Amino acid sequence: QVQLQESGPGLVKPSQTLSLTCTVSGGSISSGSFFYNWIRQPAGKGLEWIGRIYTSGNTLYNPSLDGRVTISVDTSKNQFSLQLSSVTAADTAVYYCVRDREHWGQGTLVTVSS
Amino acid sequence: EIVLTQSPGTLSLSPGERATLSCRASQSVSGTYFAWYQQKPGQAPRLLVQGVSSRATGIPDRFSGSGSGTDFILTISRLEPEDFAVYYCHQYALSPLTFGGGTKVEIK
Repeated sequence: QVQLQESGPGLVKPSQTLSLTCTVSGGSISSGSFFYNWIRQPAGKGLEWIGRIYTSGNTLYNPSLDGRVTISVDTSKNQFSLQLSSVTAADTAVYYCVRDREHWGQGTLVTVSS
Repeated sequence: EIVLTQSPGTLSLSPGERATLSCRASQSVSGTYFAWYQQKPGQAPRLLVQGVSSRATGIPDRFSGSGSGTDFILTISRLEPEDFAVYYCHQYALSPLTFGGGTKVEIK
């Protein structure tokens, strides 16, 4: 059974870079043909897709984030990561890592505040 | 970008009743790249249906998805107490992937 778990700082200062890691267990991140996504949800609001990385390493990002997103994978640790630069209060949200559409992490709250 | 508009915003029903949730896309969704999720407070979304009408693993058959082009429907044939939640539609045909704003199914 595949499981995903987000980790990273819960508080980030404005203008800094938000960095999160998703650890995948129950399967190798480098095998199969899967999309590994980051999705976020501000409190009381809907879901926003941030971007994804494919098993091959190809990435695709949401243009609404103005080029601030980088998603990478570390196969040796069975992890993939999100970096979101130049954050503002509008980036405060619960961040989820997701494999394809079915397997979601529990989510981690990131607050942007000084 | 494909904008997904869900209706109604809130659906007030009693257990045992049938729920019909709608999602309209701003342009045609190609193929069958359409999904529905259920989300309860404090939890991650749970995939119900993908490929328009294929139920995800472990999803009871009272949940069914249908539609094509710009109009999609999620039907819950008989509401169980655990079905009262927020439901989101999702298209993954075209980047950026997008979600609807959600329909809350509440107990009447």
